Amino acid sequence: NAGVTQTPKFRVLKTGQSMTLLCAQDMNHEYMYWYRQDPGMGLRLIHYSVGEGTTAKGEVPDGYNVSRLKKQNFLLGLESAAPSQTSVYFCASSYDYGLLTPGGETQYFGPGTRLLVL
Amino acid sequence: QKEVEQDPGPLSVPEGAIVSLNCTYSNSAFQYFMWYRQYSRKGPELLMYTYSSGNKEDGRFTAQVDKSSKYISLFIRDSQPSDSATYLCAMSADSGAGSYQLTFGKGTKLSVIP
Repeated sequence: NAGVTQTPKFRVLKTGQSMTLLCAQDMNHEYMYWYRQDPGMGLRLIHYSVGEGTTAKGEVPDGYNVSRLKKQNFLLGLESAAPSQTSVYFCASSYDYGLLTPGGETQYFGPGTRLLVL
Repeated sequence: QKEVEQDPGPLSVPEGAIVSLNCTYSNSAFQYFMWYRQYSRKGPELLMYTYSSGNKEDGRFTAQVDKSSKYISLFIRDSQPSDSATYLCAMSADSGAGSYQLTFGKGTKLSVIP
């Protein structure tokens, strides 16, 4: 199993450009998450999904959109990139939220995408 | 007050030392507690998982949860240079009390010096 994979690994954008980050998981997990990690700020949740076709806002959703058309994929879109979106983006997935399976809320992370917006 | 507080360090110890990493939290609904390890330029990986109060041991690692004090700890015995990483605590509430989210500490950067 590859676990959680992210594409691309690194990207440079100019202000105003758009891009899509792809996350894929092969663990048949229901829940998927997008985080950003900035120095001194820790991991902050952008959006998440509790199943195919669903999405919800996290702590810092502004400037981002997401889609979960297939269970194994979770896409994060930046419609008009800004320098404030320079960050490392992590995708994660989990089996469930622990109600059914103790430990099911454990999240498994991808390797990250480094994004620089100039 | 932040929901989860974690000393960012950095923490530098000699090889073989016992390391103690801690987090405090304010939300009494938290039931699930995790420690993640993150190597430089990598994604976080789950190190330890604990449900409710008590201790859990896995090799050189011991996780402790004291819900009465809202305090969790990770101990690393016989620390090795390969333990050099950032350690993130994470916790979540029972599914009936909150949303589908983990609340993370900001991480403590640990360096083990040979």
